[in-house]
Amino acid sequence: SQTIHQWPATLVQPVGSPLSLECTVEGTSNPNLYWYRQAAGRGLQLLFYSVGIGQISSEVPQNLSASRPQDRQFILSSKKLLLSDSGFYLCALELAGEPDTQYFGPGTRLTVL
Amino acid sequence: AQSVTQLDSQVPVFEEAPVELRCNYSSSVSVYLFWYVQYPNQGLQLLLKYLSGSTLVKGINGFEAEFNKSQTSFHLRKPSVHISDTAEYFCAGNTGGFKTIFGAGTRLFVKA
Repeated sequence: SQTIHQWPATLVQPVGSPLSLECTVEGTSNPNLYWYRQAAGRGLQLLFYSVGIGQISSEVPQNLSASRPQDRQFILSSKKLLLSDSGFYLCALELAGEPDTQYFGPGTRLTVL
Repeated sequence: AQSVTQLDSQVPVFEEAPVELRCNYSSSVSVYLFWYVQYPNQGLQLLLKYLSGSTLVKGINGFEAEFNKSQTSFHLRKPSVHISDTAEYFCAGNTGGFKTIFGAGTRLFVKA
């Protein structure tokens, strides 16, 4: 079965610093990949999704960006963090044979001070 | 437009009591519906899903949900909860595209 890894698990960064969060997948090929953000006490906000290497769709205009350099790697980045970027970032995948069903990674807790 | 509404932000319940977490959806097309559970500081775990067929869907951990098209609902139920069921539960819907819409979540708190 598939496994999703997210790194790091927790991160504390100052305002204005850069960001790189990594999501890697094992046990499957050619998944659709997603980045979500979950603010404290709120639901999930879709940030980006990718259907293949180098293919990124953005759902919310903001100072974040995403890249998919390899089939099983999905990276979330920022050049300059804002206080409002704090939250719990979740990577998710959809399997090729199981569309519309999302499986989530363990998440990265980001605190911007 | 598609939306998913969870009617209760918090549901306190005593251990071994039944529970129902309510979810309503709005969609003009066929929709796939899901329930996820999130334990503190963890990712979401799929509990169950409705794609088509039988409207009563059974999931993991003894949970089940019923798709009701006339009432546009997909309520989650468990006949007897345990302390370990304390978590946040998310209802979600998808009309077949890349975008899954999540509800705001319901925090289930099981008391001894």
